[in-house]
Amino acid sequence: GAVVSQHPSWVICKSGTSVKIECRSLDFQATTMFWYRQFPKQSLMLMATSNEGSKATYEQGVEKDKFLINHASLTLSTLTVTSAHPEDSSFYICSATSRGRNYNGVEQFFGPGTRLTVL
Amino acid sequence: AQSVAQPEDQVNVAEGNPLTVKCTYSVSGNPYLFWYVQYPNRGLQFLLKYITGDNLVKGSYGFEAEFNKSQTSFHLKKPSALVSDSALYFCAVRDGTGGFKTIFGAGTRLFVKA
Repeated sequence: GAVVSQHPSWVICKSGTSVKIECRSLDFQATTMFWYRQFPKQSLMLMATSNEGSKATYEQGVEKDKFLINHASLTLSTLTVTSAHPEDSSFYICSATSRGRNYNGVEQFFGPGTRLTVL
Repeated sequence: AQSVAQPEDQVNVAEGNPLTVKCTYSVSGNPYLFWYVQYPNRGLQFLLKYITGDNLVKGSYGFEAEFNKSQTSFHLKKPSALVSDSALYFCAVRDGTGGFKTIFGAGTRLFVKA
């Protein structure tokens, strides 16, 4: 149990277009989801935290109007990169938690990531 | 503010030898500490965590980590490395206030040579 999926796994888009990335918890209800960004050979940088039914909390330096996060249900969060530019090219990873619950001691589960390339 | 440092970009070890991947942290209050492994173009896989209790924590795939409060360290270890252990390893910390915000270190690439 406790699987997180992301769709798509990779996407290529033209500069100026918007791209939506989905993060789903497949067999548990995720009260909180996190979005991370990872540059090549670098660590994960937390972008934002989203709780179901409320607005996302963005980390300092992350443009909320550019990276739109919606956590409409307990199993789905979406990240939309608006008006994408080449510098937005990165590996985006989501993770999900279920407050007060763990699975074999693991509390936070990560999706497989989405590689975005903006031409 | 919490932070994590992994001082080594890369660790090289021969198969069968013990390995250590270093991590130090800074957090207010009691830390929750984690190790994750990442394979190319994949998400993170949980290895182990320390929240409370024994300072030596055992995790997946034969890995273990030792929590040292005085040195604020949480080094990852394995007695005998395998070639398949070659991957990118991340140390992470969360403060103990009950939130789930997790900060990751820069990562250490482990290369195990046959």
